[in-house]
Amino acid sequence: GAVVSQHPSWVICKSGTSVKIECRSLDFQATTMFWYRQFPKQSLMLMATSNEGSKATYEQGVEKDKFLINHASLTLSTLTVTSAHPEDSSFYICSASKPLAGEAGELFFGEGSRLTVL
Amino acid sequence: GQNIDQPTEMTATEGAIVQINCTYQTSGFNGLFWYQQHAGEAPTFLSYNVLDGLEEKGRFSSFLSRSKGYSYLLLKELQMKDSASYLCAVKDSNYQLIWGAGTKLIIKP
Repeated sequence: GAVVSQHPSWVICKSGTSVKIECRSLDFQATTMFWYRQFPKQSLMLMATSNEGSKATYEQGVEKDKFLINHASLTLSTLTVTSAHPEDSSFYICSASKPLAGEAGELFFGEGSRLTVL
Repeated sequence: GQNIDQPTEMTATEGAIVQINCTYQTSGFNGLFWYQQHAGEAPTFLSYNVLDGLEEKGRFSSFLSRSKGYSYLLLKELQMKDSASYLCAVKDSNYQLIWGAGTKLIIKP
């Protein structure tokens, strides 16, 4: 079953509004979660690394004031796209890895959130 | 810079075998992953290689040669549901995942 859950799956909003996407780890505590963006027919692009209890680490070129990340607990990270514009329309995916020794440390992905800004 | 190369698209026939190659140049190496991603869905984990050799998991196998910076994903007895994108990703010396652009696999009856 799913170990990382993401909500909402689909969201359509008007230009200028803000949208919040939630990412939850269901059966483990994730001190670190990752937020990706994926445009059609392109690969995953890491936007930021979300650390529980501290500020997120943003990748170069990602505006931290536009993409607000909050990781308030060990099972929840949120991404808020502020003042969304049509160019922000994309597939946003969160992920986390189980912090267990001896495992590959593979990433478990949420279902993804498809954002369409009109 | 760091980069991962894999073919953009491949086509194969149902019931056949297909090999998807991945070459990488990264600063350090801490493992290579293969993920499957169906259209409109999030990726799902397929395999992990950190030592040279072949890892077999049912119809899917993954091979790694660290000296050559090369891996392949082998899919046997192809089924229509295997139509998807296959992503190769490498963990570098900082344990950051570097992603390939993905290979879109089209299965024909």
